[in-house]
Amino acid sequence: DAKTTQPPSMDCAEGRAANLPCNHSTISGNEYVYWYRQIHSQGPQYIIHGLKNNETNEMASLIITEDRKSSTLILPHATLRDTAVYYCIVRVNDMRFGAGTRLTVKP
Amino acid sequence: KAGVTQTPRYLIKTRGQQVTLSCSPISGHRSVSWYQQTPGQGLQFLFEYFSETQRNKGNFPGRFSGRQFSNSRSEMNVSTLELGDSALYLCASSWAGGNEQFFGPGTRLTVL
Repeated sequence: DAKTTQPPSMDCAEGRAANLPCNHSTISGNEYVYWYRQIHSQGPQYIIHGLKNNETNEMASLIITEDRKSSTLILPHATLRDTAVYYCIVRVNDMRFGAGTRLTVKP
Repeated sequence: KAGVTQTPRYLIKTRGQQVTLSCSPISGHRSVSWYQQTPGQGLQFLFEYFSETQRNKGNFPGRFSGRQFSNSRSEMNVSTLELGDSALYLCASSWAGGNEQFFGPGTRLTVL
C-alpha cells in the first residue's frame, strides 16, 4: 500500500481557509485518497475521498494533483471545532493511518 | 440511524488474562474493521471482516483475533494480555469495506 506524508502540525486562524497537504507519491492507479479527522478522545470521522477528480462536500474540498502524487484538503472557513488531527490515507483494501496533521484553529 | 456501538467502553485487565470486545455496526453495514490506537504507534489496522470472513489483516501477533457474526456484529479477542496491549480499540463499519467508514467511540483497555 502507498504511504502518505503529512506535516505534523499546522495552525489556522478562525474563519480562514485551512489547506492541509498530503504527499502520496507511490500511489497506484486504483488507490483512493481518503481524509479522516479525529477530535480528541473520539473515533475518527470521515471527511471526503477521491480518486482522480477534485471533490467537494459540505465539510471540505479535496484537490488531487493531475499526477495523483499529492492532494490538499481544504476547509473553507475553519472554526474552533475543526481543531483535530487530520489523516490522509490511500486505500485499496484496508486503511493504514499515518501520524496525521494536528490542525489547531486559533481565534 | 444508530451509529456504531462498542462495548464495553472501559476495561481493566491484568497481564495474562484475555479480553473480548464487541462491536455493533450501523444497520445494513456488512464490513467491520478493528484498529488499535496508542500514543506511541498511533492508529494501527488490526483486521477487517466482511460477511463473516476475515478479508484483511494487519501486522499483529496471533494473540489478536476476531470474528463476525451473521448479523454483522463483530468481536475481537486478545489472549495472554501484555502491558503493551493497553490502548483504545476502535471499530469501524461500512457498507462493503471499500468506502467511507464510520467509527465507534472505542473501548479503552488498560492492562495492569
